[in-house]
Amino acid sequence: EADIYQTPRYLVIGTGKKITLECSQTMGHDKMYWYQQDPGMELHLIHYSYGVNSTEKGDLSSESTVSRIRTEHFPLTLESARPSHTSQYLCASSVPGQGNYGYTFGSGTRLTVV
Amino acid sequence: GDSVTQMEGPVTLSEEAFLTINCTYTATGYPSLFWYVQYPGEGLQLLLKATKADDKGSNKGFEATYRKETTSFHLEKGSVQVSDSAVYFCALNGEDTGNQFYFGTGTSLTVIP
Repeated sequence: EADIYQTPRYLVIGTGKKITLECSQTMGHDKMYWYQQDPGMELHLIHYSYGVNSTEKGDLSSESTVSRIRTEHFPLTLESARPSHTSQYLCASSVPGQGNYGYTFGSGTRLTVV
Repeated sequence: GDSVTQMEGPVTLSEEAFLTINCTYTATGYPSLFWYVQYPGEGLQLLLKATKADDKGSNKGFEATYRKETTSFHLEKGSVQVSDSAVYFCALNGEDTGNQFYFGTGTSLTVIP
């Protein structure tokens, strides 16, 4: 039973289009994260947030942007999609100060840019 | 900085075989250690965890022991099933990383009947 929801699950879109990947969680977690997962399965942190109005870039440079206007919502936007953005995007959340409880992940959005 | 090194795959086993996936880490202090599993087309799910040295995490027949002397957290299962086919990620959350996780590169496991 997922407490963190990502939509859409799959998306095929043309080059140059603007897209927003949605992520919402019902657990009241302050910390949220976006990971990009390449075909080799490795996870790369691209954005994170420690609370409302807080956003930071992750380890992997990304052309995407994020916003955090509400605790439960952490959308990721690509202003102009390119084939190099084709990947799986995973959203996660966690309770602050309780890292030993782990992250909760959404089911992911598989994006294909043609 | 903190990091996790995970055994490379892919790994293919016959049903009922013994599984070991190696994981070693580098971290200051006393990190918490985790194994996550990703089934095809899904996100990651927490499989097991250990938060201090010599702790053993276990779930669904999988086990891993936090070994500080060897900085390891190897995943084991005595008898794998076809349904265990998935990608397995080792991860750590260091004391000083502000709740940011570091993931290994993932190990793909395929179990054949």
